[in-house]
Amino acid sequence: QSALTQPASVSGSPGQSITISCTGTSSDIGGYNFVSWYQQHPDTAPKLIIYDVTNRPSGASNRFSGSKSGNTASLTISGLQTEDEADYYCSSFTSSTTLGVVFGGGTKLSVL
Amino acid sequence: QVQLQESGPGLVKPSETLSLTCTVSGGSINSHYWSWVRQPPGKGLEWIGHIYYSGSTFYNPSLKSRVTISVDASKRHFSLRLNSVNAADTAVYFCARLAVVGTFWFDPWGQGTLVTVSS
Repeated sequence: QSALTQPASVSGSPGQSITISCTGTSSDIGGYNFVSWYQQHPDTAPKLIIYDVTNRPSGASNRFSGSKSGNTASLTISGLQTEDEADYYCSSFTSSTTLGVVFGGGTKLSVL
Repeated sequence: QVQLQESGPGLVKPSETLSLTCTVSGGSINSHYWSWVRQPPGKGLEWIGHIYYSGSTFYNPSLKSRVTISVDASKRHFSLRLNSVNAADTAVYFCARLAVVGTFWFDPWGQGTLVTVSS
């Protein structure tokens, strides 16, 4: 199973909005609404910020939003804050193996 | 709320077996799926496998020949064994709970433990 494709890096200024894309196939993103996004600050564990494409877990900022079109999912962060500077990973269920999971390669967000 | 904590040796010799345990506290291990994910230094996340509390296992095909995940519900922990390790297995290993009923996501995660493969 191949990794999902994310841009290596994105950047934005405080207050701006940015979008991170995550491209897969019909066996994962395109076939199921089971895309999740994780935020990871240096030397910490990933933290769930979006699940099932568009849902925010309790405690996640409402500045995070998710969407999907075809085989590509997207994470949008609005009103950028310095604490948003982190790595972001997408993940999806994949039918290539039973209860399979595939992750994106990660995107480094810099808030300039 | 549920908390997870990984434990095990931080250094393993090449060709030997990596063994880690994840202890679950603050909630039941029953009726849930439990997972291992790893992250090589400076790289992305890689799914290793899941186990249902009853013992059913699901592995990443790329690691399946070397991985065993087991669970001891009475002790509220699940474990990872990865045999014949080499330098490419050096990574931070995370345990996490997997939600799967009509949904699919990992939460919470343990803090992670670094395992270095070196002689």
